Amino acid sequence: AQSVTQPDIHITVSEGASLELRCNYSYGATPYLFWYVQSPGQGLQLLLKYFSGDTLVQGIKGFEAEFKRSQSSFNLRKPSVHWSDAAEYFCAVGGNTDKLIFGTGTRLQVFP
Amino acid sequence: DVKVTQSSRYLVKRTGEKVFLECVQDMDHENMFWYRQDPGLGLRLIYFSYDVKMKEKGDIPEGYSVSREKKERFSLILESASTNQTSMYLCASSSGQSNGYTFGSGTRLTVV
Repeated sequence: AQSVTQPDIHITVSEGASLELRCNYSYGATPYLFWYVQSPGQGLQLLLKYFSGDTLVQGIKGFEAEFKRSQSSFNLRKPSVHWSDAAEYFCAVGGNTDKLIFGTGTRLQVFP
Repeated sequence: DVKVTQSSRYLVKRTGEKVFLECVQDMDHENMFWYRQDPGLGLRLIYFSYDVKMKEKGDIPEGYSVSREKKERFSLILESASTNQTSMYLCASSSGQSNGYTFGSGTRLTVV
């Protein structure tokens, strides 16, 4: 079955620290992979996407993610977190249809 | 700036009412989607549409229907609202599987 797992429900980091949010997927075909961010009370905004080529992709707001096929992972990283990065982050997978399957999200809290 | 607009940010309805949630996109996208978002469950697909007058059931269609009479508009209908339909509803549109979705800001529906 197709699925996305975000093992961390809640992560807390200090401002300026590095960040890695984990995402593992199960998908039978070549996946398209996405990370979205949701600020409180808002819709989801696309941070970055991967569907082919270089396995390290850059996104908006200084985020990057690395696709590792052997580990079925697409982890999101940022070298130095800002207080404004506090939000909920969703990983999603799609493929030969336009339907995306979303993970349950990771809530990021940033301490000053 | 391209947009997906959901007509209401907050709605309070009574049990048994018929509820209409409206979504309009100005990007000429073929594909539109309705999700509901609940804490700990992530985003779950209710219905989607790949063309005018076309609709497909998602993972949790029970208690809902949809209408797509024009390309830019995709309406979600709760035939007889129940308290377990209290949730955040998110509309999204897409131009293809590699492009990801553009989301609206969401409608927080409370059924009392």
